[in-house]
Amino acid sequence: DIQMTQSPSSLSTSVGDRVTITCRASQSVRGDYLNWYQQKPGKAPKLLIYAVSRLQSGVPSRFSASGSGTDFTLTISNLQPEDFATYYCQQSDVARTFGQGTKVEIK
Amino acid sequence: EVQLVESGGGLIQPGGSLRLSCAASGFTVSNNYMSWVRQTPGKGLEWVSIMYSGGNTYYADSVKGRFTISRDSSKNTLYLQMNSLKAEDTGVYYCARTVVTATSDALDIWGQGTMVTVSS
Repeated sequence: DIQMTQSPSSLSTSVGDRVTITCRASQSVRGDYLNWYQQKPGKAPKLLIYAVSRLQSGVPSRFSASGSGTDFTLTISNLQPEDFATYYCQQSDVARTFGQGTKVEIK
Repeated sequence: EVQLVESGGGLIQPGGSLRLSCAASGFTVSNNYMSWVRQTPGKGLEWVSIMYSGGNTYYADSVKGRFTISRDSSKNTLYLQMNSLKAEDTGVYYCARTVVTATSDALDIWGQGTMVTVSS
C-alpha cells in the first residue's frame, strides 16, 4: 500500500492567515488520484479537493491544492472561523489510503 | 436530497458478528461505486471495502475474509457484514459514494457514521 504522511500534524493559526499543509506519499501517485477532505468534530469527512487540484462543488475558492508524484499541498488562504478542522489527504491510485490528518486550531 | 444514513452499529463481543446498513436517497446505489470507510483510534481513517456498480468487490487486507460488502437494489441500501470481529475493528464506520472517472477517484458523499465497539 502507499503510505501517506502529512505535515504538520497540527498547527495553531489565526483568522485571516494563510495555511499550507503538506502530504507526502511513500511512492509516486499516478495520475490525479489525490484528494483532500475536511473533518469537523463528530462529523463525517467532507470532500474538498479531488484529482489533486479540482475544487469540489460548493467549496470556497480560498481552498486550493497542487502537487504531483509524491508531494502534494493544500493551501487555505484568508482562513475563516469555519475552516478550523482536521484535514486529510487520500490517494486512490493503489487501493485507497489516508494521511494521518492535520488539525488546524485557533491560536 | 442526496443522503446516506448508516445504521446497525453497537457493542459486540470479540468473535461476534454485526451487519451495518447504509440507506441511500437521492441517487441509486447500484448505479454507483460504494465504499465503506472506518475511523479507528489506532489507524485513523481506513478504507475498508468497495463495491463497483457492476458488482465487483474489493477489501482491505485487514478485513479480507471477515467482512462482506453487498447491496439490495430494491431497498437502495448498501451493507457490510462483519464477522470474527476483533478489538481493533472498533471505530466509526462510514459508507460513502465513490465517484470514479478516468482521472479521479474520490469519496464525494458520506453518511453520518455508525459506531462499532468490539469489547468483552
